[in-house]
Amino acid sequence: EIVMTQSPATLSVSPGERATLSCRASQNVDSNLAWYQQKPGQAPRLLIYGASTRATGIPARFSGSGSGTDFTLTISSLQSEDFAVYYCQQYNNWPPVTFGQGTKVEIK
Amino acid sequence: QVQLQQWGAGLLKPSETLSLTCAVYGGSFSGYYWSWIRQPPGKGLEWIGEINHSGSTNYNPSLKSRVTISLDTSKSQFSLKLSSVTAADTAVYYCARANVGYRYYYMDVWGKGTTVTVSS
Repeated sequence: EIVMTQSPATLSVSPGERATLSCRASQNVDSNLAWYQQKPGQAPRLLIYGASTRATGIPARFSGSGSGTDFTLTISSLQSEDFAVYYCQQYNNWPPVTFGQGTKVEIK
Repeated sequence: QVQLQQWGAGLLKPSETLSLTCAVYGGSFSGYYWSWIRQPPGKGLEWIGEINHSGSTNYNPSLKSRVTISLDTSKSQFSLKLSSVTAADTAVYYCARANVGYRYYYMDVWGKGTTVTVSS
């Protein structure tokens, strides 16, 4: 099973600033990686798949990059609605699909 | 617009069987994998398994011995059964639609979640 490790666990950012979230896979997953956003009491929401393709309706301030074992989700200018928990998910070696443990983006 | 509506028992005793159902509204049942994911309180996401429109299933090896996912295409519903539950199975359970193809797999439609508590 591929283990996904996200860092940092918590990221404190001021509105309008850039946020950079990291995700590392325990083995090569090519570009087979997705990112999700989850707000309290809500289901996750797909942001990115294929490491860098934005899902339908996702604002351009969200971007994904990376391949192999190291991936990054960047939020270029944080809006109030972006404060949430973000999860990466690999699907290169599936089943099982595996998720990272999450990064919480909080208001600084 | 596709929507998933899920339901099932929210309180179970240890050793009982968890049973949840998810109905698909407003879209095709075929061409997708229909998945179950869970989230223990304050923790991350764990993929449980999935089924496609033809009934082919994939399960998380960590749960495989206790999990059964089935579907009823006539009702556009799929279901999860998890046997012999313990307190460790306490979680919010989500159903989701997975788009699966060559070099992509993403869950783009989710149910609202069902809280399941296992307690004696």
